[in-house]
Amino acid sequence: NAGVTQTPKFQVLKTGQSMTLQCAQDMNHEYMSWYRQDPGMGLRLIHYSVGAGITDQGEVPNGYNVSRSTTEDFPLRLLSAAPSQTSVYFCASSYATSGDIGPQYFGPGTRLLVL
Amino acid sequence: GENVEQHPSTLSVQEGDSAVIKCTYSDSASNYFPWYKQELGKGPQLIIDIRSNVGEKKDQRIAVTLNKTAKHFSLHITETQPEDSAVYFCAASKTGKLIFGQGTELSVKP
Repeated sequence: NAGVTQTPKFQVLKTGQSMTLQCAQDMNHEYMSWYRQDPGMGLRLIHYSVGAGITDQGEVPNGYNVSRSTTEDFPLRLLSAAPSQTSVYFCASSYATSGDIGPQYFGPGTRLLVL
Repeated sequence: GENVEQHPSTLSVQEGDSAVIKCTYSDSASNYFPWYKQELGKGPQLIIDIRSNVGEKKDQRIAVTLNKTAKHFSLHITETQPEDSAVYFCAASKTGKLIFGQGTELSVKP
C-alpha cells in the first residue's frame, strides 16, 4: 500500500493564481482531511470529509475549496492564492465509524510558497 | 468550537529522564485524544491514542492519561532516548473534527 500520497511536493505561485493540491489514499478510508501547518501554530484543520459526496469546514476554510467524488481522492483547491496561504499542507485519512474517527495517517506534505 | 492548549512549547531533558507534555481541551463532548510525533520534514505519525471511556493507556515507554472532569490529558515518555527528539502534538476530536494543540519541541540530550 502507498498509504496517503500528495502531489506536488513543492509549488511556487504568484498572488491570484489558482491551483489544486492532490491527495489520494489506498486504504479505503472513509475520512479524509486537509491541514495547514505554520510555525508556532501547530496543524489547523481546513476541510474534512466523512465520505464520498460529504465535506465540511474546519477551523480555517476561507480561500479553500474541496470536493470528494471518490473514496480515494480529496483535492484541495486554492481559487486565488494569497501570500497568507504560504504554508505546508498535509492531507490525512482514517476509518470512520458512527461519526468517530480513528488514527490519522498523514501524507508527506506539500510546501506552498505564494509570492 | 473545540480549542486545545498544549504546554510546554519546548522541553529539554537528559537521556534517561522522563518527559511530560500536557494538553487541555474546551469541549466536554470530545471523545478521542491522539498524540502525534513529527520529525523534521515529515508528516505527523500517531504514537498513542485514548478514548474518553478509558483513563490511562500505556505502550512500552509511552503512556497517556485522561482526566475528563478537568478536561486535560497528558503524554508521559519514560527513559527518554535521543531518537525521541521531535515535535509532539496532542489533539482532540468530536464527530470527526480533529483539532490540534500548538506542539511541543522535545529535545533529549545524550
